[in-house]
Amino acid sequence: DVKVTQSSRYLVKRTGEKVFLECVQDMDHENMFWYRQDPGLGLRLIYFSYDVKMKEKGDIPEGYSVSREKKERFSLILESASTNQTSMYLCASRLTGPNEKLFFGSGTQLSVL
Amino acid sequence: SQKIEQNSEALNIQEGKTATLTCNYTNYSPAYLQWYRQDPGRGPVFLLLIRENEKEKRKERLKVTFDTTLKQSLFHITASQPADSATYLCALVRNAGNMLTFGGGTRLMVKP
Repeated sequence: DVKVTQSSRYLVKRTGEKVFLECVQDMDHENMFWYRQDPGLGLRLIYFSYDVKMKEKGDIPEGYSVSREKKERFSLILESASTNQTSMYLCASRLTGPNEKLFFGSGTQLSVL
Repeated sequence: SQKIEQNSEALNIQEGKTATLTCNYTNYSPAYLQWYRQDPGRGPVFLLLIRENEKEKRKERLKVTFDTTLKQSLFHITASQPADSATYLCALVRNAGNMLTFGGGTRLMVKP
């Protein structure tokens, strides 16, 4: 089955730090996603990439950027972390076609102090 | 604006009963709808996809219906077990593009 690996399970950063969240998938999928999940707010889409170097903003892109230099890797960057970016971050890779589905990583719980 | 609504209150049922979860949407014309299961501290896991031309789909003890007139999908778990306790999320593709949007999820608790 597809494996989506997020580099860190837990991360603690200070306000103002630049933060990199890494995600790697092993099935040559073109589409990759970054979501954040907060209690009561559900999963919200931050950014979507549909191919190498191609990206689209999701619903809440402010304060974030992304990088997709290689097909297997999709990075989320917090340019200057703030306390309201404390959240669970989930990366997903998408199998397209008749058996379409998303494969999620285990998530990174980020705390910004 | 486009909205996906799931009952935010937890659903508590007795083992062996059928659980029914609801997903309602507005301002979408989805070609398909997906259901995922999420356990605490883990990423969601895909369960089922149902297309707009399919009224019903089954997989083992799971059944999904899709009513594009009512703009609603129902997710059923028959003969529920405590191991079915989790949060269940529905997801839709937006009208334009390929971005998947999720509902807030419904937590299911199955008591022995």
